[in-house]
Parts: sequence; structure tokens; C-alpha cells
Amino acid sequence: QVQLQESGPGLVKPSGTLSLTCAVSGGSISSSNWWSWVRQPPGKGLEWIGEIYHSGSTNYNPSLKSRVTISVDKSKNQFSLKLSSVTAADTAVYYCARDHGYNQKRSFDYWGQGTLVTVSS
Amino acid sequence: DIQMTQSPSSLSASVGDRVTITCRASQSISSYLNWYQQKPGKAPKLLIYAASSLQSGVPSRFSGSGSGTDFTLTISSLQPEDFATYYCQQSYSTQFTFGPGTKVDIK
Repeated sequence: QVQLQESGPGLVKPSGTLSLTCAVSGGSISSSNWWSWVRQPPGKGLEWIGEIYHSGSTNYNPSLKSRVTISVDKSKNQFSLKLSSVTAADTAVYYCARDHGYNQKRSFDYWGQGTLVTVSS
Repeated sequence: DIQMTQSPSSLSASVGDRVTITCRASQSISSYLNWYQQKPGKAPKLLIYAASSLQSGVPSRFSGSGSGTDFTLTISSLQPEDFATYYCQQSYSTQFTFGPGTKVDIK
């Protein structure tokens, strides 16, 4: 059973950088899956942030691309998110998820529990 | 970007009711459409992938249909544990997008 666990600061100052890590257990991050970050502002819907493959290939949401970096650490079986120049609009619950499938037949089948990140001074 | 819309945005139903939620894509996405259930304070849970395939462990009262731009999620007989918010999501484009959600609450 694959499990994902997000970790990182729950409070980030405006204009700072949000940094989160997702630890994967019960499976290898080097398997044939992509790994994604999804966020949800309080009381709102879901927004896909971006994804990474174990090779280091990435895809990002165009609306966030200029501020987002997703990286992978195969030795630790984890992947990470950095979001720069944050504002209050970036306050959200951040989820990591396994992006399972192939080509276009893909879905988020395993999710972390989510971590609330608040942007405030 | 492929825009996703859902209707209704919310609905009230009773246990045992048949519930149908609609999702529409701004362009054809073939059958690359997934459905998720989210309960308050919890991560989303995959229900249906590729428009009509039931995820392992999901009760058979959930079903999905559609292709192209129009899709539906049907709950054949609503159970107390089904009161939640439901999201559709397209995987046709690598720029994944979700619908705004449909909240199902108790009548």
C-alpha cells in the first residue's frame, strides 16, 4: 500500500518561498508513475500545481510555472515543491499525490493527508 | 487550458436517491476524465478513472459515463457515507484541470 506524507513549514511570510516535501513509502518513487502536487485554498476547489517523473522530467501549471520548482530525491524516495514569491493567495492545503497510469489515461490514485500552509507576516 | 464545469454546484438528496452529477469540458477530452470524492478535512479519493472504470475498492453504486465533452457520475442509491463534494478532472492535457466541485448534502 503506497503512502504519501507531506512535511514542511505551516507558515510562510509574504514574498518568501514555500517549501514542502512528500515522502513516499510502500513503493518506489522510481516506479512508472508521475508524482504531483495539488493545492486547495480554504473552502475552494482543487488546483493542480505540477508533476515530476523519477527521471527529473517535469510539467507545471502554466499559471504557476514562473514560481514553481518540483524536484525528486530518489535516494530518499521523496519529491519536493518550492513556490517562490508567495502571497496570501497561496494559502492553501497542499497535497502530494501519485499520478498513476500511462499516456493520457492517468489519475491521482494515492494522496497524502495534506498540509495547510498559511502565508502571513 | 481545458476548462471544466460541473452542474449542479450543489444538491440536496435523501438516502436511497439516485444522484447524477454532470461534468463538461471546454473541448473534447475523449474518455480522459476522472471523478473524485472529498469529505471535509480529508484528501480526495479516486472513484472513477477513464470516464467509466471503477477504481478498486469503490462500491458499485458509483458509475461514470460519457466521452468527448460531456460526462456524468451517477450514484445509484445514495448512502449516508456518500455525502461529500465530488470533483471531475481531465487528463487529456498534461495541464491537468479540475471541475469546481458538486457538493452533495442531506435533504
